[in-house]
Amino acid sequence: GDSVTQMEGPVTLSEEAFLTINCTYTATGYPSLFWYVQYPGEGLQLLLKATKADDKGSNKGFEATYRKETTSFHLEKGSVQVSDSAVYFCALSKDQAGTALIFGKGTTLSVSS
Amino acid sequence: DTAVSQTPKYLVTQMGNDKSIKCEQNLGHDTMYWYKQDSKKFLKIMFSYNNKELIINETVPNRFSPKSPDKAHLNLHINSLELGDSAVYFCASSQDASRTQYFGPGTRLLVL
Repeated sequence: GDSVTQMEGPVTLSEEAFLTINCTYTATGYPSLFWYVQYPGEGLQLLLKATKADDKGSNKGFEATYRKETTSFHLEKGSVQVSDSAVYFCALSKDQAGTALIFGKGTTLSVSS
Repeated sequence: DTAVSQTPKYLVTQMGNDKSIKCEQNLGHDTMYWYKQDSKKFLKIMFSYNNKELIINETVPNRFSPKSPDKAHLNLHINSLELGDSAVYFCASSQDASRTQYFGPGTRLLVL
């Protein structure tokens, strides 16, 4: 079945460090890919998305490129801030009505000053 | 003007009780979902409704029953609560053309 695998956390970085969180997927067809972020005690917020191969999603300094050849959607940010500390979820969605998001297990990021 | 809202935000109750969680969206979306997030933060779909019709009904105990009175609302009723039901329950909605789902703030359920 379809699945998403993302790197285990926690990831601990100093402020202004470069961030990469790896995400790979297994799916038939052409899923859409997403990164969601969950700040402590809050719900999930859409961070960015890409709907077809080679698309790049970007938001708030975060970027991810849909790579069909490597079935990957790695999240990157050039310079993290303390306020980026959160849990990051990679997810995919197929193109059927009411289709569910399939999530990775989440990666906890902790940024210290 | 909250896009997807849930009530209550916190719910503490005893084993064996029956409880409901309400969800409303004001985005005009035609599909709504319930997800469960366990203690390890893992998110899993429970149900989805498209135009008030049940689309996804994952393997959840039949103590859980979703109800969609209209396209803007999807409620979750849980009978005979068990300790293992303790989790965070998220409601979400989407307009299928975009496939992007927007989540509510979550309901933190603790069963004692």
